[in-house]
Amino acid sequence: GQNIDQPTEMTATEGAIVQINCTYQTSGFNGLFWYQQHAGEAPTFLSYNVLDGLEEKGRFSSFLSRTKGYSYLLLKELQMKDSASYLCAVLDSNYQLIWGAGTKLIIKP
Amino acid sequence: NAGVTQTPKFRVLKTGQSMTLLCAQDMNHEYMYWYRQDPGMGLRLIHYSVGEGTTAKGEVPDGYNVSRLKKQNFLLGLESAAPSQTSVYFCASSTSGESYNEQFFGPGTRLTVL
Repeated sequence: GQNIDQPTEMTATEGAIVQINCTYQTSGFNGLFWYQQHAGEAPTFLSYNVLDGLEEKGRFSSFLSRTKGYSYLLLKELQMKDSASYLCAVLDSNYQLIWGAGTKLIIKP
Repeated sequence: NAGVTQTPKFRVLKTGQSMTLLCAQDMNHEYMYWYRQDPGMGLRLIHYSVGEGTTAKGEVPDGYNVSRLKKQNFLLGLESAAPSQTSVYFCASSTSGESYNEQFFGPGTRLTVL
């Protein structure tokens, strides 16, 4: 079956750095997405990786290793507004997104 | 641009009742999707459409029907609601279904079935 694993919850301190991991086992791979979802709101796109390596976008970076079936989202200089759930999703061989359950990130002052 | 909109935002149904959720997008996107989101689980695809007049089943289609009569609208119907359909429903759209095409989400509909 298809499976995406992420930690359920993480806590970090304002101004610090946090890494959210995602491992996947899917039928085929056509890219990996990270979305942010604030409580009670819709998911919004953060990043897309299809090749191995690091993609940097401001305070957020996303890494992919296709051979290991692994990705992480790195958030730097954490702000209180970064408190949200972070969703990992893989585009499978049928070009359908398979979603992880999400990681709830709690930022403390 | 409004992006993706959904109506209603909240709804409470009794078991056996029917309802239709409406999704509209003004981005001229070809692909549209209906997901449900339940606590502790990832978003699950119910049905999707790759263009006007087409629909296809996703991961969890049972108990739902959809229609895409106009490119900008995607309707999700529940013919006989069940408590197991209590969930938050999200509509999304994208230019296509391939590779780097982010999905844009509507604000969601919170449905409770008693």
